[in-house]
Amino acid sequence: QLQESGPRLVKPSETLSLTCSVSTGSISSTSYSWGWIRQPPGKGLEWIGTIYHDGSASYNPSLKSRVTMSVDTSKNQFSLRLSSVTAADTSVYYCASLRMWGRSRFFDSWGQGARVTVSS
Amino acid sequence: DIQMTQSPSFLSAFLGDRVVITCQASQDISESLNWYQQRPGEAPKLLMFDVSNLESGVPTRFRGSGSGTHFTFTIRSLQPEDAATYYCQHYDHVPSYTFGQGTKVEIK
Repeated sequence: QLQESGPRLVKPSETLSLTCSVSTGSISSTSYSWGWIRQPPGKGLEWIGTIYHDGSASYNPSLKSRVTMSVDTSKNQFSLRLSSVTAADTSVYYCASLRMWGRSRFFDSWGQGARVTVSS
Repeated sequence: DIQMTQSPSFLSAFLGDRVVITCQASQDISESLNWYQQRPGEAPKLLMFDVSNLESGVPTRFRGSGSGTHFTFTIRSLQPEDAATYYCQHYDHVPSYTFGQGTKVEIK
């Protein structure tokens, strides 16, 4: 249902760019937002940010200065840009759908993940 | 910021055993707590939302309970396919989404 795409090798100080294609359902659904979560090698999960179909986005404060998310409703896709990357940004990057059900919020579907390495 | 602390970080149990994982929040989060399973080499999978609501298709041997700051996740009878890392995750309406550090469950 969700599939990440983009370069898997990024040089230090450059910008990481990933796109998530949503194949089931509409990215314009009012019941969903769309998120990025990452997982460094051998470590746990870190929320990067979420975006609604109208383009309103929220970011993890620890990454906010470097993160930009966008949505393309015509292509049913959303994207992540992370600037000024370092080796610490080497991770598997997951896109996920965030279901909004009343006051409940949960990531109910995930992409398979994109392993991105930051190295010269 | 709210911190989520899981324990133990690792456990090893026999098939058929009852397994309990705890998740402690650094402040009262009411019932804004979800659980995910991540098998080796796979993406995380939602098991339970709002403490105890099973996602569609998830086996009933998985149970969740708790409120406020203390939560438990139980596997009533451990199965081979349950070998995985389990994460609790808090959400709020700032919004922000915070994961616990994970509990790896191994089959003896």
